[in-house]
Formats: sequence, C-alpha cells, structure tokens
Amino acid sequence: EDKVVQSPLSLVVHEGDTVTLNCSYEVTNFRSLLWYKQEKKAPTFLFMLTSSGIEKKSGRLSSILDKKELSSILNITATQTGDSAIYLCAVDSNSGYALNFGKGTSLLVTP
Amino acid sequence: GAVVSQHPSRVICKSGTSVKIECRSLDFQATTMFWYRQFPKQSLMLMATSNEGSKATYEQGVEKDKFLINHASLTLSTLTVTSAHPEDSSFYICSASSGARTDTQYFGPGTRLTVL
Repeated sequence: EDKVVQSPLSLVVHEGDTVTLNCSYEVTNFRSLLWYKQEKKAPTFLFMLTSSGIEKKSGRLSSILDKKELSSILNITATQTGDSAIYLCAVDSNSGYALNFGKGTSLLVTP
Repeated sequence: GAVVSQHPSRVICKSGTSVKIECRSLDFQATTMFWYRQFPKQSLMLMATSNEGSKATYEQGVEKDKFLINHASLTLSTLTVTSAHPEDSSFYICSASSGARTDTQYFGPGTRLTVL
C-alpha cells in the first residue's frame, strides 16, 4: 500500500531559526514528489522533485530528493512569522493518475 | 486513520457528457469537504467548499451550474462535471476535514479527467 509520511507533525520555532521538514514515501511507480504550503485555503505549490540529489531553491526555501532513501527534505532558513503554515508533501505515482499526500507538518514561527 | 478516497481515479469521456467524481472519508466524519483542481506544475485551485447538508460555497470564477457539488452525508461528497468539454480536462482532488481543526485537511488521491 502506498504511503507518504511526514515528520514532525508539528513544530514551533523562533523567528530566524532554520527548520528541516521530512517526507518519506513508499509508492509504486514513483514519478515525482511535490511540496506545498497551505495557509488558508488552497495549498501553494513550492517544488516538484523528480531527480535525486538535485537541490531546488526558492529564496529561503530549498528542497532535495533522495530516491535511495525514499525521502525528501524541505529546508527553510531564517524563518519568518509568515512561514507559519502547514507544509504538505505529496508523491505522484501510477503514471500521474494519483497523488498521495502526507498528513502535513504544521509549522509555527513565533516572533 | 484519516483516509480519503476518490473514485474513479481516472476517467475519459466524450465532450458533452457528464462525469461524477466521488470523495469519501473512510474512517472519520467529514463535516467539510473541499474540491480542488490542479493544472500541471501549479498550485491546487480551490473550487468549492461543501458542508454536510448544506449548499456548497463556490470560489469566484467557478461555475456552480457546471460543477455540481453534493455533500449528502458525513462521509461522501460528489462533484459532477456537467456537459464536460476538453478544457475541463484536469486533475480534480478532494480533501476532507472533521472540523475539529478546520486547517487540517486530509487529501484524496485525485481523479484525472480527460475529455475528448
């Protein structure tokens, strides 16, 4: 059975800290792994990772995929209160017909 | 726990036909269900929010007569794409919330709709 597990489930940090969020997966026919940020309504797309070892960066956020370990991390440096959100990891499998979402990591950044 | 399923996972239909997609919460009662549409490499676009037993709330720009949503029970919501056209081809994803924490949504696996 396909599954995606995120850790930690929740995290509280101070502004300026660096955080690392984890996503591990067990799926058949892996195609890609996606990270989303969810604040109020619809999740916002952050990254799509398909190749192992290649870091993707966007500002203070970065992510990398490790296909050998079946996992990915999302790093946020110099956190700000605006980074407070739920971060979702999803794995695209079965030739793109399904997305398996993890339960998310709830991040709270305090001033 | 907190499993959400969708059926079918993939559907191909002819232009002009209607397609129904089901979203079920398997092990919890979903007081609120959300329907999203995703285009390739883009964020999920919220289409509507449905609460059990009441009419769905549609986001601006989403045609409620075209995308019919029914949330008849605490474990089932349906999205019917009426008179589908090729531009409706997309990935439709539902999520469900028990309402205890409305910011915790559990996502279904999605339904890939292709309209020929």
